[in-house]
Amino acid sequence: QKEVEQNSGPLSVPEGAIASLNCTYSDRGSQSFFWYRQYSGKSPELIMFIYSNGDKEDGRFTAQLNKASQYVSLLIRDSQPSDSATYLCAVNVYAYGNNRLAFGKGNQVVVIP
Amino acid sequence: KAGVTQTPRYLIKTRGQQVTLSCSPISGHRSVSWYQQTPGQGLQFLFEYFSETQRNKGNFPGRFSGRQFSNSRSEMNVSTLELGDSALYLCASSWNRGMNTEAFFGQGTRLTVV
Repeated sequence: QKEVEQNSGPLSVPEGAIASLNCTYSDRGSQSFFWYRQYSGKSPELIMFIYSNGDKEDGRFTAQLNKASQYVSLLIRDSQPSDSATYLCAVNVYAYGNNRLAFGKGNQVVVIP
Repeated sequence: KAGVTQTPRYLIKTRGQQVTLSCSPISGHRSVSWYQQTPGQGLQFLFEYFSETQRNKGNFPGRFSGRQFSNSRSEMNVSTLELGDSALYLCASSWNRGMNTEAFFGQGTRLTVV
């Protein structure tokens, strides 16, 4: 079982719509969860982090966490062409006395004007 | 506040050579982690340094090594380069270790092995 899974293929959304991205993780002990945005040819940029169950909103972005279901999601409201990028889910995993970030493979989002 | 700085941005090396990459973290950040990113494998954790000590290591061969200096700057070294080492190498800095700590990435070093 992969540590972090992002299974959806490329997501195309019309401008102004809501983009919804999902991520599941395998380590029940994980406590912190991050969403990074990566434009083509660029490095990942941290856009959201969430540590508690429930929703966290920051501008047009909302992260949702459900630890019981080992599920974290990202909603992008009023999608803009500038939101076209790959979104990486990262989970802090604990093993052998140390923490590290484990990443999903990412979801590509294309916002169509 | 300056971000994470990685040098060089691009490198072309020949199989069998070695390479050293550099990472300067955000001022005040003490933890530096290194990742390899390839289209097939995504972001893979290499190792983490904190207070000049390697604290954590991923599943990479011993050809991959690193170190951290007293000013928190870190270097990563890859010896006996293989074609499969071609990748984007990213470093991320955090102010501390522990779970609830955000990590910020540098621009990366694009390594091509020919």
